[in-house]
Amino acid sequence: EVQLVQSGTEVKKPGESLKISCKTSGYSFTGFWISWVRQQPGKGLEWMGTIYPGDSDTRYSPSFQGQVTISADKSITTAYLQWSSLKATDTAMYYCGRHGTYPNWFDPWGQGTLVTVSS
Amino acid sequence: DIQMTQSPSSLSASVGDRVTVTCQASQDINTHLNWYQQKPGKAPNLLIYDASNLETGVPSRFSGHGSGTDFTFTISSLQPEDFATYYCQQYENLPLTFGGGTRVEIK
Repeated sequence: EVQLVQSGTEVKKPGESLKISCKTSGYSFTGFWISWVRQQPGKGLEWMGTIYPGDSDTRYSPSFQGQVTISADKSITTAYLQWSSLKATDTAMYYCGRHGTYPNWFDPWGQGTLVTVSS
Repeated sequence: DIQMTQSPSSLSASVGDRVTVTCQASQDINTHLNWYQQKPGKAPNLLIYDASNLETGVPSRFSGHGSGTDFTFTISSLQPEDFATYYCQQYENLPLTFGGGTRVEIK
């Protein structure tokens, strides 16, 4: 069974750094793209970017380019999303999701990581 | 970027009703369109991929049609567990983009 298990809830202050994770299992990690999606409170879904762990090819939405970094560690089949300096507007639920051999549909999704940024 | 315009943004319906949601792309996306269901506090769940293909395990009351720029998603007979928010998503080009969502509420 393909599973994506995300790290737990985070509460941070503006300006702090953060790295959240998406641990995968049940398939060949290097052969499928993984994306990150943001959902702000009461809002819709926004694609942030994607990575192909096989060669670390990474693509970002223009809206998130330079704001976050997506990475992957093949040795532990885990993808990451990180911020160097959080803002209050980064408060959201963040989901990882697996694609196929190119970024197509999301299946499955991780359970989500809630990030709250508040002074 | 390809813009996805989803309508309506919300609707009220009764159990047993037929419900249709539309999604319009700002340019031709062939059949590169997916539909998801999201319940409160949960991750989205894939229902339909490539415009009309039913994901394994998804009830047959869900269906999708369309190609090019105009797509529809239908629930043939609404069930109590179907009250949720539904999103379309295109994968013709990066960045991947979602419609704004349709919240299906109980009448």
